[in-house]
Amino acid sequence: EVQLVESGGGLVQPGGSLRLSCAASGFTFSDYAMNWVRQAPGKGLEWISYISISSITTYYADSVEGRFTISRDNDKNSLYLQMSSLRHEDTAVYYCATSTWNWGQGTLVTVSS
Amino acid sequence: EIVLTQSPATLSLSPGERATLSCRASQSVGTSLAWYQQKFGQAPRLLIYDASSRATGIPARFSGSGSGTDFTLTISSLETEDFAVYYCQQRSNWPLTFGGGTKVEIK
Repeated sequence: EVQLVESGGGLVQPGGSLRLSCAASGFTFSDYAMNWVRQAPGKGLEWISYISISSITTYYADSVEGRFTISRDNDKNSLYLQMSSLRHEDTAVYYCATSTWNWGQGTLVTVSS
Repeated sequence: EIVLTQSPATLSLSPGERATLSCRASQSVGTSLAWYQQKFGQAPRLLIYDASSRATGIPARFSGSGSGTDFTLTISSLETEDFAVYYCQQRSNWPLTFGGGTKVEIK
C-alpha cells in the first residue's frame, strides 16, 4: 500500500524558512516523479512543485518560484521542500503526491508573527 | 496558465439523485484532465484520470466524460459518502492547475 507521510510543518515568522519532508513507503519511490500541492485554509488546491525521477527536471508555480526548492533522496525514499522568504499567504496544508496522484495526509505550515 | 472553471460552486441534492459537475478549461487540454474528491479534513482522492478512466477502487457510479475544453463528472446515484468537494485538474501544461471546486451538499 502506498504511504506518504509529510512532516516538518509548524509556525514560522514571515521571512523565515522551513523544510518539509515526505517519507514514502509501500512502493518503489525511485520509479515515480513527485509533486507538492498546498491548500490554504478554507480554499482550493494549488499545485506548487514537481520533480522528476532522477531530479533532473523540476517545475514550480510562479507563486513560489525562487523561494522554494524541491528535492528528493531516492536512497532514503524521501521528498523535500525547502521553503524560504515565507509570506503570510504561504500558510497552508502542504501535501506530497506521487505522479499517479496518491497523496499524503499533509502538514500544516502557518506563517505568522 | 490554463484556468479551470468549475460549475456550479455548490450543488444541493438528495441521496439517490444524479449529480452532474462541470469543468471548463481556458484552452484545450485534450483528455489530460483528472477529478478528485475531498472530504473535510482529508487529503484529496483521485477519482478519474485521462478524463474518463476510473482510478483503482472507485465505484462505477462515478464517471467522467469530455475532451478539449469541456468536461463532466457524473455521479449516477448519490450515496451519503459522496457528499464532499470535487476538484478537476489539468495535466496538459505546466503549471498544473486545479479548478476552484464544486461542493456537493445534502439538500
